[in-house]
Amino acid sequence: DGGITQSPKYLFRKEGQNVTLSCEQNLNHDAMYWYRQDPGQGLRLIYYSQIVNDFQKGDIAEGYSVSREKKESFPLTVTSAQKNPTAFYLCASSIFGANTDTQYFGPGTRLTVL
Amino acid sequence: AQKVTQAQTEISVVEKEDVTLDCVYETRDTTYYLFWYKQPPSGELVFLIRRNSFDEQNEISGRYSWNFQKSTSSFNFTITASQVVDSAVYFCALSEAGRNTGNQFYFGTGTSLTVIP
Repeated sequence: DGGITQSPKYLFRKEGQNVTLSCEQNLNHDAMYWYRQDPGQGLRLIYYSQIVNDFQKGDIAEGYSVSREKKESFPLTVTSAQKNPTAFYLCASSIFGANTDTQYFGPGTRLTVL
Repeated sequence: AQKVTQAQTEISVVEKEDVTLDCVYETRDTTYYLFWYKQPPSGELVFLIRRNSFDEQNEISGRYSWNFQKSTSSFNFTITASQVVDSAVYFCALSEAGRNTGNQFYFGTGTSLTVIP
């Protein structure tokens, strides 16, 4: 079955540590995205990538980093510079990166900083 | 300014009642796309519908229907004969086709629907 997988489902981190969230898709989509969701709020875009080896900052990129070395993978690193990293993180993909495209989402990773 | 407003934070209905979730958007673009997603307790966002700005026809899919009105900048979602499985958070989103922002979606803050058996 085609889809988007995110791992782990739950992640705990100590303050000051970097942590990497995995996102893999087998939909053969060109574009991938990372969103952050906080309680009672909508989704906010962290980073997106429309093609391998290229990515762009979204609205809240500070304290995060990404890479896109393979079409199917778009890992997100939450660095120690991110002041309030506890949140639910959602990865998405779309067939291209055009504004007309529907985005399809993975199951999410819930990150808690202890 | 908030591009997508979902004024209803939480709604509770009794099973089999109809319920309408409101979505008001703001854009200066003439070409744009509107979406609805469902987020069940498991957390994954499930795509429900996409509508472009040139198609104002209402759409019905089973118990779901959508009413798009450009005159009021609204894209409302109605669930008929609600069921417990409809309990979820529903998000409305806007994508502006004219922007070179890599398909950035603007999400509303969501409406949490609880269907009481």
